[in-house]
Amino acid sequence: DAKTTQPNSMESNEEEPVHLPCNHSTISGTDYIHWYRQLPSQGPEYVIHGLTSNVNNRMASLAIAEDRKSSTLILHRATLRDAAVYYCILRDVTSGGSNYKLTFGKGTLLTVNP
Amino acid sequence: DGGITQSPKYLFRKEGQNVTLSCEQNLNHDAMYWYRQDPGQGLRLIYYSQIVNDFQKGDIAEGYSVSREKKESFPLTVTSAQKNPTAFYLCASKKWAGDNSPLHFGNGTRLTVT
Repeated sequence: DAKTTQPNSMESNEEEPVHLPCNHSTISGTDYIHWYRQLPSQGPEYVIHGLTSNVNNRMASLAIAEDRKSSTLILHRATLRDAAVYYCILRDVTSGGSNYKLTFGKGTLLTVNP
Repeated sequence: DGGITQSPKYLFRKEGQNVTLSCEQNLNHDAMYWYRQDPGQGLRLIYYSQIVNDFQKGDIAEGYSVSREKKESFPLTVTSAQKNPTAFYLCASKKWAGDNSPLHFGNGTRLTVT
């Protein structure tokens, strides 16, 4: 199974950009990169996903390396509400084809300072 | 508003008792998932269901059971065979198991067994 590696924690200042890295050196050609975030005592929420090209939505941007072995979630202007655990995960297709598991690691705890 | 409802938010049980956690969704999603989260850890997949009357074991299914008799409902039973049942349990759903639509999570049930 393809795995991801993220820093345990990062710190940012309010209204500054934040770049959250994720390494996935064993990614396969058809693995999508998904990002979720989890606020304290809540369930995770979807942030963004992509395959090869960089992606933008109202919450964040996803920059994917050309070799796809790493990616970066970009929060353009961090707010206090962005303080959360951020998970970078890969589609995990088990043998049998149609099964689809999403495996979550420990993620990166982002602290935003006022 | 559509979403996933987990109840109750907090649950206390004595050791040796089975307990059932409720998960209901009104998103018309085919796929549903149960995850377990321990303090400071990521999410671990317990069971998932691609469609009504179907479910598969995840990574840590021992000591748990599920049913999927209705599309909207995916209850999880924590049996007395589960050695460390105290944890935060998260239910999720997505439109279809095999696509890249995002997972929608409930706000979890915190189970304490003493």
